[in-house]
Amino acid sequence: GAVVSQHPSWVICKSGTSVKIECRSLDFQATTMFWYRQFPKQSLMLMATSNEGSKATYEQGVEKDKFLINHASLTLSTLTVTSAHPEDSSFYICSARGDRTGDLEQYFGPGTRLTVT
Amino acid sequence: GQNIDQPTEMTATEGAIVQINCTYQTSGFNGLFWYQQHAGEAPTFLSYNVLDGLEEKGRFSSFLSRSKGYSYLLLKELQMKDSASYLCAVRSFSGGYNKLIFGAGTRLAVHP
Repeated sequence: GAVVSQHPSWVICKSGTSVKIECRSLDFQATTMFWYRQFPKQSLMLMATSNEGSKATYEQGVEKDKFLINHASLTLSTLTVTSAHPEDSSFYICSARGDRTGDLEQYFGPGTRLTVT
Repeated sequence: GQNIDQPTEMTATEGAIVQINCTYQTSGFNGLFWYQQHAGEAPTFLSYNVLDGLEEKGRFSSFLSRSKGYSYLLLKELQMKDSASYLCAVRSFSGGYNKLIFGAGTRLAVHP
């Protein structure tokens, strides 16, 4: 099946710093990538959708200047949390859809746990 | 607005059958997915329904009634490893593209 990786798997940073999370499709070309956030015991909340080579579409309530998304190639999307604060601590998961997944499914990465101190 | 409801927690016994229900009210309905998620891990795909009826896949089956806005996931011959959260997700076509809207998940605990 299609494989999606994320890096890092976990990160701890200080309040006010920025953190970059990478999402890669390893064996297929991801025309669309999705970024989700999940707080403990809650469900996944879609943050934004990005198509390769174009600007990301953010969901209502998500600050695009705080959560910078870049989808520069068909195998890589990055999420940068700028000026992170403790309330940004969460589990960030990306998913990808592309030429091998068809329109049926999104394949999820393993997630990145961000802790802001 | 978009709304997906499923029970918060369920318990069941190893070897038994459990049914997890999901009701939804969404616009642009374009299919319903069930995912399994173990704590601290990403969701894994279980099933997909877009037409009314039952889809069977080994120990797992999923049912959809679009007119009622209702789905269920049926797990048979429960095993301890089935203890996980089960997420109901509706694919909604909005703004020119499909996106998944997730329910809060049902935490299933399987006991010996």
